[in-house]
Amino acid sequence: DAKTTQPNSMESNEEEPVHLPCNHSTISGTDYIHWYRQLPSQGPEYVIHGLTSNVNNRMASLAIAEDRKSSTLILHRATLRDAAVYYCILRRNTDKLIFGTGTRLQVFP
Amino acid sequence: EAQVTQNPRYLITVTGKKLTVTCSQNMNHEYMSWYRQDPGLGLRQIYYSMNVEVTDKGDVPEGYKVSRKEKRNFPLILESPSPNQTSLYFCASSSGSGGGPYSPLHFGNGTRLTVT
Repeated sequence: DAKTTQPNSMESNEEEPVHLPCNHSTISGTDYIHWYRQLPSQGPEYVIHGLTSNVNNRMASLAIAEDRKSSTLILHRATLRDAAVYYCILRRNTDKLIFGTGTRLQVFP
Repeated sequence: EAQVTQNPRYLITVTGKKLTVTCSQNMNHEYMSWYRQDPGLGLRQIYYSMNVEVTDKGDVPEGYKVSRKEKRNFPLILESPSPNQTSLYFCASSSGSGGGPYSPLHFGNGTRLTVT
């Protein structure tokens, strides 16, 4: 099963950019890279996903390494509402998903 | 509003008393899944279903049953709950034929289960 590795925690100040790394060295060619975040007392919510190219949406950007063995979620200007646990997962057609423990992001005013 | 609805939100029960946690989605999604979340262990997949009448084990299926008789519902059944099943449970769904690895997962708000 494809696994991901993320730092346990990261910190940022408000309005600064945040780069959340994820290593997925066992990724296969058909795996999509998904990012989710979980706010306190809520279920995880979708942030962004990609396959090979970098992706942007209204919430964040996803930078994928050329060899696809790592990716970085970029929050361009962190806000207090971005404080959450961020999960990087790999999805394939078998859909046996492994979430791991994620990165807890703290944002300071 | 598109959503995944779990019930109940909170449940306290005793060892051995059968219970069912319901999950329903209104997005006509083929794929549905159950996870449990425990401190320090993150989210772990219990069971998933690629479509009606198709279910598969995730990483931690022991002690749980599921059924998928209709597309919108995916109940989680604990035939004989034990204290080690005390946890926070999440149901999720996504669209796309066969699950679609490019399809975002939509999660419910969780069910906090305590087994004494």
